Amino acid sequence: DADVTQTPRNRITKTGKRIMLECSQTKGHDRMYWYRQDPGLGLRLIYYSFDVKDINKGEISDGYSVSRQAQAKFSLSLESAIPNQTALYFCATAAGKGYEQYFGPGTRLTVT
Amino acid sequence: QKEVEQNSGPLSVPEGAIASLNCTYSDRGSQSFFWYRQYSGKSPELIMFIYSNGDKEDGRFTAQLNKASQYVSLLIRDSQPSDSATYLCAFDSGGGADGLTFGKGTHLIIQP
Repeated sequence: DADVTQTPRNRITKTGKRIMLECSQTKGHDRMYWYRQDPGLGLRLIYYSFDVKDINKGEISDGYSVSRQAQAKFSLSLESAIPNQTALYFCATAAGKGYEQYFGPGTRLTVT
Repeated sequence: QKEVEQNSGPLSVPEGAIASLNCTYSDRGSQSFFWYRQYSGKSPELIMFIYSNGDKEDGRFTAQLNKASQYVSLLIRDSQPSDSATYLCAFDSGGGADGLTFGKGTHLIIQP
């Protein structure tokens, strides 16, 4: 079984809809991250969390929110989706700051 | 603004030859450096990490770090067609903020 899983793997939604992307991990890592990847722009950090009580904004947090429900679960929400949020979204985990990060399989989100 | 510069390619290398991928970074406080391989539509996969100046070898892969020149490279020996992918360079700064800063990637093509 995969160490980092994401659901859904693909999602098409309409402008203005609320959507949640979920991430679960069995690696036992404390740190979890959400990135988005756009062609030509690379991977950019949206939010990260050290534990269930510690949530931090990344480079591009506007329009997004997160919830760390447990050490193993970290969800990303788009409160009101817009077309420029169409992207590939990745969750990642790490044992600590500066340690290697391990990525989930990604969610391809399309906002029409 | 932390930045990572990579040649986007494509870099074309004959099968069996050495592929050399390069990356420069802007943050002198950077402590940890990573190379990820990403196949089209898939998630980044960790290939190598390096923390200290010098070379680090793992199988066919060698990472080289020169902090004075703010330069990190990845050598792939005996290149195989399965090595064809996009290679992402990333670093973690030594400051308080977490998360990796990624380059946009170099597209590598191994020609049979």
